[in-house]
Amino acid sequence: TQLLEQSPQFLSIQEGENLTVYCNSSSVFSSLQWYRQEPGEGPVLLVTVVTGGEVKKLKRLTFQFGDARKDSSLHITAAQPGDTGLYLCAGASDYKLSFGAGTTVTVRA
Amino acid sequence: EPEVTQTPSHQVTQMGQEVILRCVPISNHLYFYWYRQILGQKVEFLVSFYNNEISEKSEIFDDQFSVERPDGSNFTLKIRSTKLEDSAMYFCASSEAGRGYTYNEQFFGPGTRLTVL
Repeated sequence: TQLLEQSPQFLSIQEGENLTVYCNSSSVFSSLQWYRQEPGEGPVLLVTVVTGGEVKKLKRLTFQFGDARKDSSLHITAAQPGDTGLYLCAGASDYKLSFGAGTTVTVRA
Repeated sequence: EPEVTQTPSHQVTQMGQEVILRCVPISNHLYFYWYRQILGQKVEFLVSFYNNEISEKSEIFDDQFSVERPDGSNFTLKIRSTKLEDSAMYFCASSEAGRGYTYNEQFFGPGTRLTVL
């Protein structure tokens, strides 16, 4: 079983602040995907990182894949209330994704 | 934008009954998946399907579960005799590529909430 640990579990910040969410594993993945999930809905893909050390930017979101392809981070700059949600990381191996438990981010106006 | 669709959005059934959950994957995708998420828990992999056969399944996917692609567009998950612990959100996903490809981006449907009474 490949375990992905996400930290912190909960994060509450003020609008305009920055935040970082971490995703760590002892396993190597062929790629790592970040999703955002709203209550009662399916995960929505934000980005896929593939190469060790890769950095991808999506507007105010910056995603990094660790050199060893075991860990990743999501950094949000100048967070807005619209960034509130559950952020999930998922490691790809063979035919499946292994998900972390998620980080619930709350951005207060 | 193409998306994965699932029906029904909510299914309520009695313990011991059979249920079929339906999914229409993105049309040019070749790999199909089912995941489940028990309330408050992680999303868990159930099964992957390619070229009309199961590629991989988890230990959750026992003899009570089966998958089928009955036609060119639908992908179904059947639970033969539901148990209380089968209550969960069930998500279908599809991807263009699968094992052996660096990119295995999976796109998820909105889910079916299964409630077993």
